[in-house]
Amino acid sequence: GAGVSQSPSNKVTEKGKDVELRCDPISGHTALYWYRQSLGQGLEFLIYFQGNSAPDKSGLPSDRFSAERTGGSVSTLTIQRTQQEDSAVYLCASSFRAGGRVEQYFGPGTRLTVT
Amino acid sequence: GEDVEQSLFLSVREGDSSVINCTYTDSSSTYLYWYKQEPGAGLQLLTYIFSNMDMKQDQRLTVLLNKKDKHLSLRIADTQTGDSAIYFCAETYTGRRALTFGSGTRLQVQP
Repeated sequence: GAGVSQSPSNKVTEKGKDVELRCDPISGHTALYWYRQSLGQGLEFLIYFQGNSAPDKSGLPSDRFSAERTGGSVSTLTIQRTQQEDSAVYLCASSFRAGGRVEQYFGPGTRLTVT
Repeated sequence: GEDVEQSLFLSVREGDSSVINCTYTDSSSTYLYWYKQEPGAGLQLLTYIFSNMDMKQDQRLTVLLNKKDKHLSLRIADTQTGDSAIYFCAETYTGRRALTFGSGTRLQVQP
């Protein structure tokens, strides 16, 4: 079956513009995560959705960042008034429960460049 | 807060064993993972270990966990050029869904 897909694969935007990044999780996965990977860094957790529960937004770096998940499937990460420090690869992952173990399956990412 | 650390770079010759190390600070960690990231690709889950285990073997991969020292390692036997990638260690604990990642170890396999 299809894995996690993300679009666009690359996005170049001017400082101050808004961007939307899309994630299609694996069908049947109830949890969806957004992470950010800056150059030479590990992954930084941004936000997590689980079913109909309120999302865990504890990793969002500022109020310019928001995300929604429609119908428990597709998710959109929005960055308003982009800044150069927002340049990174934004990775989406989804998971199912397997006992207490959580296996997250990652998409290929969206490379965002803010000029 | 949680912290996961890895060395940045490892170079080995083809056919040798590779050992990638990771240390973490959160004593409540219950699951520890190794992910592989090839150039331009997303992260691929390689293996995981539960904190009540001290070793797990999966074909060429061996994971060792020293819970007392909060040290995790990934051994790749008979390393191949296709193993060249960045390897990320990650951890989480029961009740928390997000993973905390290390900064990744770049493995370079020389022919």
